[in-house]
Amino acid sequence: DTGVSQNPRHKITKRGQNVTFRCDPISEHNRLYWYRQTLGQGPEFLTYFQNEAQLEKSRLLSDRFSAERPKGSFSTLEIQRTEQGDSAMYLCASSLVLGAEQYFGPGTRLTVT
Amino acid sequence: SQQGEEDPQALSIQEGENATMNCSYKTSINNLQWYRQNSGRGLVHLILIRSNEREKHSGRLRVTLDTSKKSSSLLITASRAADTASYFCATAYTGTASKLTFGTGTRLQVTL
Repeated sequence: DTGVSQNPRHKITKRGQNVTFRCDPISEHNRLYWYRQTLGQGPEFLTYFQNEAQLEKSRLLSDRFSAERPKGSFSTLEIQRTEQGDSAMYLCASSLVLGAEQYFGPGTRLTVT
Repeated sequence: SQQGEEDPQALSIQEGENATMNCSYKTSINNLQWYRQNSGRGLVHLILIRSNEREKHSGRLRVTLDTSKKSSSLLITASRAADTASYFCATAYTGTASKLTFGTGTRLQVTL
């Protein structure tokens, strides 16, 4: 399968714990995006990478959130000191061209208890 | 957030009927895209229409764009039960083309 993959698919954690999600984009795509989606809402942009450079961050991305894309391949999104409000689906997408269609992974559903 | 508005929020039709969803947005765009999301899963890209285009077709999908009204519509013809999903419009705004801004979605239910 050459699509975007995300791991884990589901994560249940206790409030205050740290969690890390991984995204593997389509191999030839140098642009990678993270979004967050809560129930009944559309996805909201979190951050954008071109190769290994993080070029844009949303104000939604508080200092508890950090994202990396070492070597411009896979990306990780870490949430420190999780809060119940962090419960959501975290979606990763990649694209070949800026402003073009984005290809989404299946998402990681985070539940903070 | 800058989410656009979509209507209706929910739509229920019978198989074979056409479904129309509308999307409005706020500022100048580079393009507008439509995505489908099956329950609890990732989004699938359906169609992209650029700001200088007025209409685009892809199979049973027809998208229109009216930049003067800042609105778009998605028409699915001869709907099938497999079309049951949530549909989102997403805009790539001028100057912030790196990210997509999604609407709140239309939940389409197609019954046999």
